[in-house]
Amino acid sequence: AQKVTQAQTEISVVEKEDVTLDCVYETRDTTYYLFWYKQPPSGELVFLIRRNSFDEQNEISGRYSWNFQKSTSSFNFTITASQVVDSAVYFCALRSGGFKTIFGAGTRLFVKA
Amino acid sequence: EAGVVQSPRYKIIEKKQPVAFWCNPISGHNTLYWYRQNLGQGPELLIRYENEEAVDDSQLPKDRFSAERLKGVDSTLKIQPAELGDSAVYLCASSLLARSGETQYFGPGTRLLVL
Repeated sequence: AQKVTQAQTEISVVEKEDVTLDCVYETRDTTYYLFWYKQPPSGELVFLIRRNSFDEQNEISGRYSWNFQKSTSSFNFTITASQVVDSAVYFCALRSGGFKTIFGAGTRLFVKA
Repeated sequence: EAGVVQSPRYKIIEKKQPVAFWCNPISGHNTLYWYRQNLGQGPELLIRYENEEAVDDSQLPKDRFSAERLKGVDSTLKIQPAELGDSAVYLCASSLLARSGETQYFGPGTRLLVL
């Protein structure tokens, strides 16, 4: 069975703080893909990153960074120097064994000025 | 390049009424998805199309939900009759090819409220 767990329901930080959003996944497949999406209040899911199971290299994109660790089945997302515009719901997703994408329940991030 | 377009953005109906949602995917994207997102949860797949063929509709409640993508471009999702539990956001997504790792791009969704 495939599963994605985002244990943090809500996180509240003050602007300029760093924040890490956790994602733990379960799959028996050796080939799979992991995604992060951002959902601002407007409702649209905005694609942030895709990672395949054979690429454990961490990635940095501006203030965003991702830490993929197969040993712990985790794909965590860190925002450095958070800004108010980062306030949104963030979803981690897993795609394996075909075309079905399983989303976590999301983490709502509040960044206060 | 235009993103995924959905309409309407909001819909309020009374239970037992029919409702339809429309989606126009990104130009050139062959694969189209309909998802339902309940409050406080992640999206859940309802149906996936490759061109005009519904290749995965296992999660679509077929007694009241139907979908079509007649020309392999835009798509319509219908509920008839709507129930209170159908209140949710209905998201459409598209991807370029039918490959497992292909990234899906989402539209803004239609927020449905059934009274």
